[in-house]
Amino acid sequence: QLQLQESGPGLVKPSETLSLTCTVSGGSISSSSYYWGWIRQPPGKGLEWIGSIYYSGSTYHNPSLKSRVTISVDTSKNQFSLKLSSVTAADTAVYYCARTVVVTAIYDYWGQGTLVTVSS
Amino acid sequence: QSALTQPASVSGSPGQSITISCTGTSSDIGGYNLVSWYLQHPGKAPKLMIYEGSKRPSGVSNRFSGSKSGNTASLTISGLQAEDEAHYYCCSYAGSTTFKFGGGTKLTVL
Repeated sequence: QLQLQESGPGLVKPSETLSLTCTVSGGSISSSSYYWGWIRQPPGKGLEWIGSIYYSGSTYHNPSLKSRVTISVDTSKNQFSLKLSSVTAADTAVYYCARTVVVTAIYDYWGQGTLVTVSS
Repeated sequence: QSALTQPASVSGSPGQSITISCTGTSSDIGGYNLVSWYLQHPGKAPKLMIYEGSKRPSGVSNRFSGSKSGNTASLTISGLQAEDEAHYYCCSYAGSTTFKFGGGTKLTVL
């Protein structure tokens, strides 16, 4: 059974960089059939797609966040990561990592989510 | 990148049917048959309920069905049950390997 697990600091100061890692177990991140993505959900609000990465390193980003987002993959560790720079309180959210089938909107496996609070 | 438009809330009594709409544009919903629907209970990760507009993953009840007309996708839940009470989100492929989610709809089972 595929499992995804987010990890990283739960508190980040304004203007600093948020860094999260998603560890994939029970399957290979190097499959050609899937993208690996990040989605976030501010408290009490809806889901927002942040971006995705293919095992080859190709990345795709939400245009509204693109200049602040960096997504990378480490196939040797079966992990992918998110960096969001210059954070503000508006970036406070539960951050999910998820698997999506290539060229579909099928997010079939999700991590449990991790709350990141931006506060001084 | 604006979100897809969903009603904030819908409600229904047990046994009834409800429909949740999700409106986009010709650049997302209208341009592709790649809409999915997710159920989210409080404090939990979203769960895939419908993909490619109308297909159900293994294990999802056939009480859940999806459709699309033009730039609007719809999720219908028939035979409402108390356990269906949750938030529901639509998601659409939006071209160039980007995606959009809807703002979410809270379903209340009366």
